[in-house]
Amino acid sequence: AQKITQTQPGMFVQEKEAVTLDCTYDTSDPSYGLFWYKQPSSGEMIFLIYQGSYDQQNATEGRYSLNFQKARKSANLVISASQLGDSAMYFCAMRGFNTNAGKSTFGDGTTLTVKP
Amino acid sequence: IAGITQAPTSQILAAGRRMTLRCTQDMRHNAMYWYRQDLGLGLRLIHYSNTAGTTGKGEVPDGYSVSRANTDDFPLTLASAVPSQTSVYFCASSDLGGGKQFFGPGTRLTVL
Repeated sequence: AQKITQTQPGMFVQEKEAVTLDCTYDTSDPSYGLFWYKQPSSGEMIFLIYQGSYDQQNATEGRYSLNFQKARKSANLVISASQLGDSAMYFCAMRGFNTNAGKSTFGDGTTLTVKP
Repeated sequence: IAGITQAPTSQILAAGRRMTLRCTQDMRHNAMYWYRQDLGLGLRLIHYSNTAGTTGKGEVPDGYSVSRANTDDFPLTLASAVPSQTSVYFCASSDLGGGKQFFGPGTRLTVL
């Protein structure tokens, strides 16, 4: 079994500031992948960043970085220099590679609002 | 076709009717997935397929069936729709190696 927990239903951030969205996970698989997706009000799902469980370094994609702390089972998303267009729902997800191979689990999401 | 397409875009369905949601990808991905997203919540996995000819049950498979006759298509069937199946349905695909999933635009289904 695997589980994703996002404890922040809503977050506010001032434009140009950094924000951290929390994600903790649980899985029985020894290897797995962690993902973050963005869902704007238009409804599409947009991939942001990926972290493999055996990757030595934290993943970065432009303004997005993933703060991966394996021992704490956390995979927080950091958005630097927030923009108005970052206002959206953000989902943390994971996919196991062993017992849970093929099964993806999503958290309930965090709604981020960027204030001008 | 570029990426993943889903049809129909939206549908209103009477309870008890049979409905098939279509999903086609042109990226030759091995793995495909069906999710439902209820209002204000995250995505829940219904069924998945790691490769053509195989399928597996996700978190909420009851009332749904899938088939994977070839690499590109992964239809989802509701044999006898019920109002609790009102949701937005997303199809996705990925390389089996575990990379990112590419999502279709979604199908908004209302069962009355």
